[in-house]
Amino acid sequence: AQRVTQPEKLLSVFKGAPVELKCNYSYSGSPELFWYVQYSRQRLQLLLRHISRESIKGFTADLNKGETSFHLKKPFAQEEDSAMYYCALSQGGKLIFGQGTELSVKP
Amino acid sequence: DAGVIQSPRHEVTEMGQEVTLRCKPISGHNSLFWYRQTMMRGLELLIYFNNNVPIDDSGMPEDRFSAKMPNASFSTLKIQPSEPRDSAVYFCASSYRTSGGGYTFGSGTRLTVV
Repeated sequence: AQRVTQPEKLLSVFKGAPVELKCNYSYSGSPELFWYVQYSRQRLQLLLRHISRESIKGFTADLNKGETSFHLKKPFAQEEDSAMYYCALSQGGKLIFGQGTELSVKP
Repeated sequence: DAGVIQSPRHEVTEMGQEVTLRCKPISGHNSLFWYRQTMMRGLELLIYFNNNVPIDDSGMPEDRFSAKMPNASFSTLKIQPSEPRDSAVYFCASSYRTSGGGYTFGSGTRLTVV
């Protein structure tokens, strides 16, 4: 079955430290992967998608088909990055989300 | 565009009562999704529509849950009768195509069943 796994429920780092939010997926075809962010009590927002190979707010994510991973990275975390981050896989017209990782950036 | 609009923002109801959640998708989007968010289960897809037609309702937990999309600009999610375990944040999202495009989410309805 198609599945998205985010192994860390909580990731806590200090401001300026590098951040890597892990995402692994299981999918039999060519995956379409996304990262969504949810700031405190706000709506989910699309952060980036793998097909665009873009960098948003300093975040990047590279699809590694060999390791079936799509980890989200940022070299220097900022306090305003504190939020819930969800990795998602598009399958048959719907998005399947991972459990989410709460990122806490401390001053 | 005001984005995906959900109402109400908060709903507190007693167990056994009927609850109706509403969603107005972005104009021009042809796919609409209902998700439920809880601490235990994260984001669960309940049902989604394409061109107003329900495509996959396998995530609807029980017969107590039903969803309709009478036209391209309105959808409802109904719970009857409601139970305390239905307490969650319910999100509606829409997209202009079923794959490759990101979703636009509404602000959610926080439902509390007491």
